[in-house]
Amino acid sequence: SQKIEQNSEALNIQEGKTATLTCNYTNYSPAYLQWYRQDPGRGPVFLLLIRENEKEKRKERLKVTFDTTLKQSLFHITASQPADSATYLCALFGGNLIFGKGTKLSVKP
Amino acid sequence: DSGVTQTPKHLITATGQRVTLRCSPRSGDLSVYWYQQSLDQGLQFLIQYYNGEERAKGNILERFSAQQFPDLHSELNLSSLELGDSALYFCASSRTGQGGIQETQYFGPGTRLLVL
Repeated sequence: SQKIEQNSEALNIQEGKTATLTCNYTNYSPAYLQWYRQDPGRGPVFLLLIRENEKEKRKERLKVTFDTTLKQSLFHITASQPADSATYLCALFGGNLIFGKGTKLSVKP
Repeated sequence: DSGVTQTPKHLITATGQRVTLRCSPRSGDLSVYWYQQSLDQGLQFLIQYYNGEERAKGNILERFSAQQFPDLHSELNLSSLELGDSALYFCASSRTGQGGIQETQYFGPGTRLLVL
């Protein structure tokens, strides 16, 4: 069956460090993958989209990689700040947008 | 602010009842999506409408139905409610919603439904 998994339910890091979140999928061949941020009680907010022919995408302190051979995307936040604390969701298009369950990131001062 | 509005923000009701959730998409967006988010299941796609027509269906129960009106706002109807229907319900919109096109979806603030 088709699955999209975000390996860690929660990730705690120190301010200033790089946070790395993982998204793995099986039985899909997505043309692109998206990352969203969700704060408690609020709707997800789109962050980045990476296409299958792109290895890496950057936006300010955010970096996303996409390895279609490994069926994996990595999401990095460099120089992390407490304001980056949120749940991060990966999503891929498989007929409709399929979301992972998310990784809750906590950045401690 | 995404530009997508949802009402009501909170809803408390009893088992067996019926409720209607409302969504207004961003100005100019033709497609509306409904999602259910619970703690154990994550964000689950329910249904998509494009310019008044049903475009795609996900894990939507038969007790649930939706429609999109000529002014493009959408309503999600939940009937014969059960305890397990308690969740956050999100609406999202996008410009066209055509499959495979790399569109961003803009999410509303959600409606928190509690079934007692």
